[in-house]
Amino acid sequence: DQQVKQNSPSLSVQEGRISILNCDYTNSMFDYFLWYKKYPAEGPTFLISISSIKDKNEDGRFTVFLNKSAKHLSLHIVPSQPGDSAVYFCAATYDRDDKIIFGKGTRLHILP
Amino acid sequence: EPEVTQTPSHQVTQMGQEVILRCVPISNHLYFYWYRQILGQKVEFLVSFYNNEISEKSEIFDDQFSVERPDGSNFTLKIRSTKLEDSAMYFCASKGVYGYTFGSGTRLTVV
Repeated sequence: DQQVKQNSPSLSVQEGRISILNCDYTNSMFDYFLWYKKYPAEGPTFLISISSIKDKNEDGRFTVFLNKSAKHLSLHIVPSQPGDSAVYFCAATYDRDDKIIFGKGTRLHILP
Repeated sequence: EPEVTQTPSHQVTQMGQEVILRCVPISNHLYFYWYRQILGQKVEFLVSFYNNEISEKSEIFDDQFSVERPDGSNFTLKIRSTKLEDSAMYFCASKGVYGYTFGSGTRLTVV
């Protein structure tokens, strides 16, 4: 049962352009959403999050948008940099103290 | 910056053998977790641990799995009799005021 879905296994974006990673979820009880970034041979590292009561959260080059009616969120990275090449996991929780439910991840390649 | 440390980074074991994966969480964290990622699949929750007991476990975490915090610093995951399908990256995490911190993972290969 995939409660958090990332339908694009990979994405290639030119350096300097905008990267948009998408995520859909099925459980309307989720109240907190997170994006994690993962490099090879490392654990997931927290990138940015958004509460279900908001529709946008911005942190530097990273912005997460939440559309609750569509059960959809997206991560925008602008401008994309070579160091952004990694696997990005969309994740959700029922509350901030609960386990994290991850999507399968999207591998982002930033092209020179 | 505080880290969650996992050892070993790679463990190869024969099917049916017991393995113990070790983790040193961040010292002032109170919540501890194990997750795993089978190659090509999503990161999956296994178990959460708080106040010296399991607070939640997934259906993956059957009787072959156990966790322990033997000495107040280490947090271990034991698999009693490994199966081929236990081959995965196992991530330990601990949680404090500012959220989760994951370790770098242990790659378990069962042959």
